[in-house]
Amino acid sequence: EDQVTQSPEALRLQEGESSSLNCSYTVSGLRGLFWYRQDPGKGPEFLFTLYSAGEEKEKERLKATLTKKESFLHITAPKPEDSATYLCAVQAGAGNMLTFGGGTRLMVKP
Amino acid sequence: NAGVMQNPRHLVRRRGQEARLRCSPMKGHSHVYWYRQLPEEGLKFMVYLQKENIIDESGMPKERFSAEFPKEGPSILRIQQVVRGDSAAYFCASSLYPGQRRNTEAFFGQGTRLTVV
Repeated sequence: EDQVTQSPEALRLQEGESSSLNCSYTVSGLRGLFWYRQDPGKGPEFLFTLYSAGEEKEKERLKATLTKKESFLHITAPKPEDSATYLCAVQAGAGNMLTFGGGTRLMVKP
Repeated sequence: NAGVMQNPRHLVRRRGQEARLRCSPMKGHSHVYWYRQLPEEGLKFMVYLQKENIIDESGMPKERFSAEFPKEGPSILRIQQVVRGDSAAYFCASSLYPGQRRNTEAFFGQGTRLTVV
């Protein structure tokens, strides 16, 4: 059974204090790893897709990386508007569904 | 270019009633997925559909829940005889080519929040 574990569950940062969120996965035949952002009361918003170990993607203050066992979402000089829950999900094997981790709730204080 | 549209956004049902949740995928997307997010829990896959076909319903409860994606019109998630434990946020997502190397990402709607009283 595919498993996705995110850590930490919650993270408090000061504005400008860079950090990383972790997503560890155990799957058979990874086809893609996805990062989403979810604001309260909203649906998940797509951020990145990573397909192969060593791949990196960047968007504004966010950078996602992938190894054979985990992915990191690096947040550089975060701002209060980056506060949200960040979700990691994997697509593996023959199925097309996503298996999600529990998320990391990020709070950035001004 | 409208995204995934779900309605209603909020739905209140009494125990024993039926709930119907609707989802219109992004333009050009023919693959639809339903996920459920229980309070304080993560997103869980329920069912994957293409037009007129259920491809994977491995995450769907065996009783009271059904889904369809007709040739014309939105995808429908139907919950019969709702119970308090069905209270959750139900999200629909759509994608282009889930089996290919590229464009496999799924885009989500804003969800329907079902409250059973």
